[in-house]
Amino acid sequence: DAKTTQPPSMDCAEGRAANLPCNHSTISGNEYVYWYRQIHSQGPQYIIHGLKNNETNEMASLIITEDRKSSTLILPHATLRDTAVYYCIVRDPAYSGAGSYQLTFGKGTKLSVIP
Amino acid sequence: GAVVSQHPSWVICKSGTSVKIECRSLDFQATTMFWYRQFPKQSLMLMATSNEGSKATYEQGVEKDKFLINHASLTLSTLTVTSAHPEDSSFYICSARHNYEQYFGPGTRLTVT
Repeated sequence: DAKTTQPPSMDCAEGRAANLPCNHSTISGNEYVYWYRQIHSQGPQYIIHGLKNNETNEMASLIITEDRKSSTLILPHATLRDTAVYYCIVRDPAYSGAGSYQLTFGKGTKLSVIP
Repeated sequence: GAVVSQHPSWVICKSGTSVKIECRSLDFQATTMFWYRQFPKQSLMLMATSNEGSKATYEQGVEKDKFLINHASLTLSTLTVTSAHPEDSSFYICSARHNYEQYFGPGTRLTVT
């Protein structure tokens, strides 16, 4: 799986949009960009994923650059409950080679939503 | 759908004893499950991959005789920490693979005294 680079921490005012960047310059053609978050002392929670088109669901939007070397997760109206560590992971979910199935977590971005 | 549960959610045990943690896929069958460990202020680290009906595959540096994994059915995998020591105190998280995606359990906090 390609490596990702994320800022270690970010602050966001409650009610404002939170924009979390991720660099994945070595991403390959079949690899998707996944975002998970982990609220303190809980298991990771899936947020969204995409291949090359922008994606939106009830939780967030994912913007992927045209060259696919970076992406941004957008939480449109951050709340205090969005305070968590956000992980950006790239992987090919269909790849069947050794070590392929599991998600590999980096250090993520600790997002603090401030009242 | 795709819910994964763990039991117990937290456990305290004495040094030298063994502890079993259960991971269940509640509404799907999972031929592959994963066990992660997370120390305070660190990221999740994969310990092993568990395949139903076969031996688990352990990551480098993880002792297979200390962390026993059993995946006897398509909905249950267990992790047994044998002869636990205080340095085994950690947050253990399981994950199950379903339709090419991974779904995570809520985690088990193990404290060894």
